[in-house]
Amino acid sequence: SAVISQKPSRDICQRGTSLTIQCQVDSQVTMMFWYRQQPGQSLTLIATANQGSEATYESGFVIDKFPISRPNLTFSTLTVSNMSPEDSSIYLCSATPIGGSEETQYFGPGTRLLVL
Amino acid sequence: QKEVEQNSGPLSVPEGAIASLNCTYSDRVSQSFFWYRQYSGKSPELIMSIYSNGDKEDGRFTAQLNKASQYVSLLIRDSQPSDSATYLCAARSGYALNFGKGTSLLVTP
Repeated sequence: SAVISQKPSRDICQRGTSLTIQCQVDSQVTMMFWYRQQPGQSLTLIATANQGSEATYESGFVIDKFPISRPNLTFSTLTVSNMSPEDSSIYLCSATPIGGSEETQYFGPGTRLLVL
Repeated sequence: QKEVEQNSGPLSVPEGAIASLNCTYSDRVSQSFFWYRQYSGKSPELIMSIYSNGDKEDGRFTAQLNKASQYVSLLIRDSQPSDSATYLCAARSGYALNFGKGTSLLVTP
């Protein structure tokens, strides 16, 4: 398994500003993923972050709004840019450990974002 | 559209009973499936994965997969109040997971 931490755990932001969320894994991982979970809803994949290459975004999500970095095998960031109240959500990082089942994803604790 | 469907519930079962959670998926290419448990305000926690048709047992949990019917289920035996949570079914598509909306389970003492 993998232990995943996220910072910040929560934040309240003003519209029009940006927030960068950090995701740190305690071991090297192959794939890292960023999900959004809106209140009462399930998880929606934003993008897949690969080390050494551009992130792959899902339909409805664009790099200008959600730029992602993946500088190494244990760390990634997601920025929520030019925020609006509709961006209020929980943002979750997940990862697939190297050496484990290629398909098993473990989740971080999430970042709870409220945009006013 | 790669859909994963779950009954939202709530599913209420008495303590000690068997809870049965069901899930269907639309993407026939999906080969692996996962059940996550999510307590309110917490992140999803992996319970089980299943890749082959049939049953897979782990303690009180049994996952069942029927690829012909595109159906996945999770049975929880001897349900405990601590099992009360939302259970998310996920199907792997490529590298990522498609999640259902989750079934809320309430185990009453």
